[in-house]
Amino acid sequence: SYVMTQPPSVSVAPGQTAKIMCGGNNIGIKSVQWYQQKPGQAPVLVVYDDSDRPSGIPERFSGSNSGNTATLTISRVEVGDEADYYCQVWDSTTDHYVFGPGTKVTVL
Amino acid sequence: QVQLQESGPGLVKPSETLSLTCAVSGAYMTNYYWNWIRQPPGGGLEWIGYIYNGGTTNYNVSLRSRVAISVDTSKNQFSLMLSSVTAADTAVYFCARRAPSRAPFDTWGQGTLVSVSS
Repeated sequence: SYVMTQPPSVSVAPGQTAKIMCGGNNIGIKSVQWYQQKPGQAPVLVVYDDSDRPSGIPERFSGSNSGNTATLTISRVEVGDEADYYCQVWDSTTDHYVFGPGTKVTVL
Repeated sequence: QVQLQESGPGLVKPSETLSLTCAVSGAYMTNYYWNWIRQPPGGGLEWIGYIYNGGTTNYNVSLRSRVAISVDTSKNQFSLMLSSVTAADTAVYFCARRAPSRAPFDTWGQGTLVSVSS
């Protein structure tokens, strides 16, 4: 099955930029989704199809995907962005939906 | 506005069957994929499976022998059954909607914690 990697944690100061990587074999040819999950809440979609944003998601959230790495970028980080972030793809070989292990973003 | 709401027992004994229901409001169930996803305490997200258009199902191979997802379109709800549970099945269980063509999970329920313990 398809396996993705994410750093366990990323720390960033308010107003700075956070980059969260999601690694996988040739992930660049897949469509990557990103979800934000705050404690005790359900995940919320923040980026889909590599770089599109659902309505209501601030432009500060952006995504890219190439080669073996997909990246979620949070610009002008706010305290309210502190959360776990998960990448997710569809594995065509198994028709399974796979999540990365998650990255905890801490706003210092 | 589409809303999903999970319900079911919060405690299940080992070796028994976990049974949850997801009530769907604000949307018809046709032409969408209805999914179950779980998250163990302190852990990551694991996709369990989906049901589509009332009959087509697909399950995570790691759970396939124990899981069944069904739908009751007359009640606008779908259900999860997971048999022979162990402590490893203790998790928050989410239901989630996905549009066709490998779209993202765009709507989630709030989740319900199911503990497996005697």
